[in-house]
Parts: sequence; C-alpha cells; structure tokens
Amino acid sequence: QVQLVQSGAEVKKPGASVKVSCKASGYTFTSYDVNWVRQATGQGLEWMGWMNPNSGNTGYARKFQGRVTMTRNTSISTAYMELSSLTSDDTAVYYCARGWKSSSGLVFDNWGQGTLVTVSS
Amino acid sequence: EIVLTQSPDFQSVTPKEKVTITCRASQSIGSSLHWYQQKPEQSPKLLIKYASQSISGVPSRFSGGGSGTDFTLTINGLEAADAATYYCHQSSSLPHTFGQGTKLQI
Repeated sequence: QVQLVQSGAEVKKPGASVKVSCKASGYTFTSYDVNWVRQATGQGLEWMGWMNPNSGNTGYARKFQGRVTMTRNTSISTAYMELSSLTSDDTAVYYCARGWKSSSGLVFDNWGQGTLVTVSS
Repeated sequence: EIVLTQSPDFQSVTPKEKVTITCRASQSIGSSLHWYQQKPEQSPKLLIKYASQSISGVPSRFSGGGSGTDFTLTINGLEAADAATYYCHQSSSLPHTFGQGTKLQI
C-alpha cells in the first residue's frame, strides 16, 4: 500500500533552517508529484509547493518563494522540504502529500503522518 | 488566488442525522474540488475527489456534488466516527487553496 513516512519532530531557533524528509513506498516514486502542506496549531491547511520527483522541477507558493527548497533523492524514494529563515510563525505541522493527476487537475490522495516543527528561542 | 469559503464553521449534530457542508469558490473551478476529513492528531484523508467521485474505502454515506463555484459535501446517517474537521481544496489553478474548515461535533 502507498505510504509516506516523514522524519521526526524538530525544534529550531529563529533564523535557522529545517529540512523535513518524506520517504515514499508502495508505488513508483517518480510517477507522482510530491506536495507540501503545513498546518499551524488549531489552524487550517496551507499549501507550500510541489516537486516532480522525475524531473526535479518545482513550484512554490509566492509566500514561501526564496525561503523554501524542495528536492529529492530518487535512489531512496525520498523527498525533502527545507525552509530557511525560520520565525515563530513557521511553527506548524508539515505534511507531504502525493499528487494524483487527471485531466481535471491534481488531488492529494495520500498524506504523510506530519512533522511538527517548533521555532522557539 | 482562488478563495474557498466553507459554511458552517462549526456544527453540532446528532447520530443518524444528515449534514451538508458547503464550499463556495471565488471564481469558477469546474469540478476541481476535493474534500478531506481530518481527525484530531491525524493527517487529512481524502473523502471525495473532483466534486463527486467516491474514493475506495470511504463509506457510502459520504457524497459530494456541485460544479463551478458551489459545492456540497453530504453525510447521510452520521456516526460518532464522523466527528472531525472537513476541508475543501481546489486544484483548478495554482496556488492550491483550502477552505477554512468545518468542524463537526457529534
């Protein structure tokens, strides 16, 4: 079955960077985009961007451009999301989600378990 | 950016009831609208894709409808296990956006 397993919780100081991993199994990693979505405590879902694991192409939400980098290692079926210049506003659970495409657009059909990133001095 | 507005924000319901959650898009998105269920401390789970297409393994009491700018998620015969927050999501154009969520208390 499709599984996305993310790395563990992180605590970072303001100004630092964090890198979260998302290991895929149960399907061909390079055949589906990986998207990243975050959720602050008690808040809604916020899309951060996408990556095509086959080509390495990426697209980022305007809010995160210049601060986020999405990469992958196809040999271990793992996607990464790195966010820099962290502030307390970046404290959230970060999810990776597989993007399943049709002619009508893309849907997030499988999600990782989430990684809590806490930014605190 | 397409804004999705859900209503209501919160609803208290009783088992076996029927509930309808609405999601309105700020511009037409065709059928590129999906629904997710999120229980406390869990990841979102896909319930309905492309406005009305069912998902394998999701109970048949969940159904979706609509197109263009107005969409609905209907739950027939509510069960205690349906207590969760429900989100709509549009993939018609980037950036992907979500509704603010509807919390169901049972």
